[in-house]
Amino acid sequence: AQKVTQAQTEISVVEKEDVTLDCVYETRDTTYYLFWYKQPPSGELVFLIRRNSFDEQNEISGRYSWNFQKSTSSFNFTITASQVVDSAVYFCALWANNLFFGTGTRLTVIP
Amino acid sequence: ETGVTQSPTHLIKTRGQQVTLRCSSQSGHNTVSWYQQALGQGPQFIFQYYREEENGRGNFPPRFSGLQFPNYSSELNVNALELDDSALYLCASSKGVMNTEAFFGQGTRLTVV
Repeated sequence: AQKVTQAQTEISVVEKEDVTLDCVYETRDTTYYLFWYKQPPSGELVFLIRRNSFDEQNEISGRYSWNFQKSTSSFNFTITASQVVDSAVYFCALWANNLFFGTGTRLTVIP
Repeated sequence: ETGVTQSPTHLIKTRGQQVTLRCSSQSGHNTVSWYQQALGQGPQFIFQYYREEENGRGNFPPRFSGLQFPNYSSELNVNALELDDSALYLCASSKGVMNTEAFFGQGTRLTVV
């Protein structure tokens, strides 16, 4: 069975602080993909990153970085120098034939 | 913008009624997946359509049904609406069934009263 756990329901940080959103996944598939999406109040899911199960290289994109560790089945997301515009709900998802989403982490960045 | 459009954006229905939600996929995409997102939850997979055929279904009862048209747009139909069907319904389009590059629409917020 596929499962994605985002233990942090809500996080509040002050602008310019760094914040890490945790994601732990479960799957028996050897080939799978992991995603992070951002959902602003408008509702649309905005794609942030996709990582396949064979690529454990960490990735950095501007203020965003991702740490993928198969040994701990984790795919954590860090925002450096957070901004108010980063306030949203963030979803981690696992693709194994279809997308399985976690329950999301609501990030509030306080000015 | 992703090029995936959903209509309507908001809808209020009465318990027991039927509803049809629509999704226009991004140009060049032949696969549409539908998700239900209850308040405070992550999206849950309902089903996927590929080239006008259902190609996978999540844990949803048969009163949730769908269609895909030759232009790859899609409809989600829900019969005998229940209060728990109140949710944001998202569609995602992709090129091929391995929707690792899925693009989501803005969703339809359905309220059942």
